[in-house]
Amino acid sequence: GAVVSQHPSRVICKSGTSVKIECRSLDFQATTMFWYRQFPKQSLMLMATSNEGSKATYEQGVEKDKFLINHASLTLSTLTVTSAHPEDSSFYICSADLAGEPLGTQYFGPGTRLLVL
Amino acid sequence: AQSVTQLGSHVSVSEGALVLLRCNYSSSVPPYLFWYVQYPNQGLQLLLKYTSAATLVKGINGFEAEFKKSETSFHLTKPSAHMSDAAEYFCAVSLTNTDKLIFGTGTRLQVFP
Repeated sequence: GAVVSQHPSRVICKSGTSVKIECRSLDFQATTMFWYRQFPKQSLMLMATSNEGSKATYEQGVEKDKFLINHASLTLSTLTVTSAHPEDSSFYICSADLAGEPLGTQYFGPGTRLLVL
Repeated sequence: AQSVTQLGSHVSVSEGALVLLRCNYSSSVPPYLFWYVQYPNQGLQLLLKYTSAATLVKGINGFEAEFKKSETSFHLTKPSAHMSDAAEYFCAVSLTNTDKLIFGTGTRLQVFP
């Protein structure tokens, strides 16, 4: 149980294009979903927290117009990297929490590797 | 504000040897603490968590961690390393009354035959 999927697993795009990454909780309804960014050999940096039906809460320094988050249902959140540039190349990981679990317990997706040329 | 510090960015052990990965936390209130493992090019998998119940927490794959308030530590151990344990390990603390996690910088575990 508590499986989170991400699609695509890997994407290569040209500079200036937009890329959408999907995060789905497959066998549970997630009250909250989180989006992280991970640079090579570094830790995870929380980008934003999203709740179904409301606007995402972005961490300081994360451009909300650059990284659009939509949380359309209790099982789906999307991250759109708009007008992507090479510096946006990174590993993006989503996670979801499960109602009834202790605060902080998150289930992670397998990640999406974005390469912007 | 909560934070975690992982001492040692790299740890190398021989197969069959004890694994010890260190994590110290800072928190003004009793924390919830977590260990996650990340295999190459994959997301994170929860190994174990401490949520103010038993101080010795057993997780998956033979790992366990002990919460020591006096030392503000939550070190991860495994009695006998397997080759398959080679991965990146992250210690994390949850922000008080929220679901947010603050991650340490990670420790890469290498296991030699």
